Amino acid sequence: EIVLTQSPGTLSLSPGERATLSCRASQSVNSSYLAWYQQKPGQAPRLLIYDASSRATGIPDRFNGSGSGTDFTLTISRLEPEDFAVYYCQQYGSSPFTFGPGTKVDI
Amino acid sequence: QEQVVESGGGVVQPGRSLRLSCAASGFTFSSYGMHWVRQAPGKGLEWVAVIWYDGSEKYYVDSVKGRFTISRDNSKKTLYLQMNSLRAEDTAVYYCARDRSYMAFGGFDLWGRGTLVTVSS
Repeated sequence: EIVLTQSPGTLSLSPGERATLSCRASQSVNSSYLAWYQQKPGQAPRLLIYDASSRATGIPDRFNGSGSGTDFTLTISRLEPEDFAVYYCQQYGSSPFTFGPGTKVDI
Repeated sequence: QEQVVESGGGVVQPGRSLRLSCAASGFTFSSYGMHWVRQAPGKGLEWVAVIWYDGSEKYYVDSVKGRFTISRDNSKKTLYLQMNSLRAEDTAVYYCARDRSYMAFGGFDLWGRGTLVTVSS
């Protein structure tokens, strides 16, 4: 099983600032099959990034994913008020398709 | 519009069974892999199971193997999760999610609102 570790656990920032979220895998993720999701309280997760760096449909270009192998990053270039949420990374290259524990981005 | 809607959650005693359903609409259900993902109260996301577009392959997280069964009826555009021998640690909101691919290698691009399963005596 691939274990994903996310850091930091909580990121306290202000609107307009840049957010950098890290996701590290315990072993290499096949074919960069890594996704990032955003979840707000009481809502289902929303796909932001798939295949490590491809933006999902309708996702603003301030969200960018990068990385390969075992190290991946989600960058939010300029935080908007609606971006304050919990962000999860997930690998889907091998079963079980594990999620990281999440990074909370708050004000 | 494209959507998936879960149903079947509720309160159940330990050791009992429950079947969740996920009704799909607005897209060609038979062309996509489908997943169940759960989230215990106040906790993170846990992937539970996947079934390929045609039902030919199924995979599970270890903690539910032998107890949960994922299935689908493409003629009814419905995904199922049969949960047997339920435990307190199965208490969670269960989400149905669509894979971007017809198997399981695309990321989950469409989610339902979830259905709450509470296992308690």
